Amino acid sequence: AQTVTQSQPEMSVQEAETVTLSCTYDTSENNYYLFWYKQPPSRQMILVIRQEAYKQQNATENRFSVNFQKAAKSFSLKISDSQLGDTAMYFCAFMKHDRGGADGLTFGKGTHLIIQP
Amino acid sequence: EPEVTQTPSHQVTQMGQEVILRCVPISNHLYFYWYRQILGQKVEFLVSFYNNEISEKSEIFDDQFSVERPDGSNFTLKIRSTKLEDSAMYFCASNLAGGGKNIQYFGAGTRLSVL
Repeated sequence: AQTVTQSQPEMSVQEAETVTLSCTYDTSENNYYLFWYKQPPSRQMILVIRQEAYKQQNATENRFSVNFQKAAKSFSLKISDSQLGDTAMYFCAFMKHDRGGADGLTFGKGTHLIIQP
Repeated sequence: EPEVTQTPSHQVTQMGQEVILRCVPISNHLYFYWYRQILGQKVEFLVSFYNNEISEKSEIFDDQFSVERPDGSNFTLKIRSTKLEDSAMYFCASNLAGGGKNIQYFGAGTRLSVL
């Protein structure tokens, strides 16, 4: 079974600063996907970024980028030029690759990120 | 942009009653999922569904739960006899799962309150 650990229950930064959220995971799988989802107060789950484990290049989406260290089983999210709208819970998630879309996501407990004006 | 739609947004029920939560996945997607999130806790996988049958289910998904795709668009989660501990946010998700994408898109959730 997979586990996902987010060791920072809450983080707070000033607007425009850069913040990094950490995530580690444990798996015996070699091929898998990793995701960061954002959950604002509305509680909708919104995909932020996705990484395929076989790709060494770190994924980026505008102000969001990841630092994927496969050997260390680490998958951190960096948010540059943080904005008030980034305030949300951020969940790291893992999905196995070998059964098409059959497997569910395994989520971490989340990090509550607060962007201060 | 296509999205996953869930109804109702909030459902209140009495303990022991049956509830059906409804979802309309994105139209060309192949895999459908249900997750639950008890307040203040992490999101937990319940079940995945493909080609009109369950693909995978978690330990949480016991005989009290069932899923169905009654027509070409809806995907439902039924809880047979609700318990207080079933109170949670329930999320539906869908996934095209082809071409290397494998991204699950979530609906806005249904908040289930069992009294």
